Amino acid sequence: GQNIDQPTEMTATEGAIVQINCTYQTSGFNGLFWYQQHAGEAPTFLSYNVLDGLEEKGRFSSFLSRSKGYSYLLLKELQMKDSASYLCAVKDSNYQLIWGAGTKLIIKP
Amino acid sequence: ETGVTQTPRHLVMGMTNKKSLKCEQHLGHNAMYWYKQSAKKPLELMFVYNFKEQTENNSVPSRFSPECPNSSHLFLHLHTLQPEDSALYLCASSQEGEGGPGELFFGEGSRLTVL
Repeated sequence: GQNIDQPTEMTATEGAIVQINCTYQTSGFNGLFWYQQHAGEAPTFLSYNVLDGLEEKGRFSSFLSRSKGYSYLLLKELQMKDSASYLCAVKDSNYQLIWGAGTKLIIKP
Repeated sequence: ETGVTQTPRHLVMGMTNKKSLKCEQHLGHNAMYWYKQSAKKPLELMFVYNFKEQTENNSVPSRFSPECPNSSHLFLHLHTLQPEDSALYLCASSQEGEGGPGELFFGEGSRLTVL
C-alpha cells in the first residue's frame, strides 16, 4: 500500500530552527507538496519539490531525496505564528495525491 | 470575492436531515475536489470534478452526493448521515494538466457535526 509518514507533533522554541520530516512509500513519484494549516483554517501551499535538492523560500526550505523516499521542511527563525500543522503530500504515478496525517508544530516563547 | 469560499462554515444536523455544502472558486481552475479531514488522519479524497465531469469517487457512501453545475461551483449533498461522518469537509480547486493537479487552493472548510 501507499504510505506517508510524518511525526504527529513537534515542539520548538521561538527563534530556533526546526526540521519536519516526511518519508513516503508510493507507487511512483511525480512530486511532493508541503502545506501549512493553522487551526480552524484552510491548508495553504508552502512548497513543491520534484527534483532532488533544496528549495529555499524565505524562512522556509524544503528538501527532497527521491532515492531515499524522504523530504523535510526546514523552518528558520521560528515565530509564534508558525504554530500550525504541516501536511506532506506526494503525487504518485497516477498523479493522485497521497497525504500524510500532518505534523502539529507547537512554538514556545 | 477571491480564492475558494465554502458555506456554511459550521453545520449541525440530525441523522435524518438533508443538508448541502456549497463551494465556489474564483480562480478559473478546471478541477474541484471534496476532501474529508478527521483529527490526526490524512486528508481523504472524496470526489474530483475536472471540467465539470466527475473523474473520481473514492468509494464514498451514497449518503454523500456531489453536484458540479459548472466549473466554478461544487456542492456536497448530505442525507441520512452517521455520527462517524462528523468531520471537517474541505473543498479545493486546482489547475489540472497532463501532470495531474497543480497546487491546491483550499476553502476554509465546513465543520460538520452529526448528532
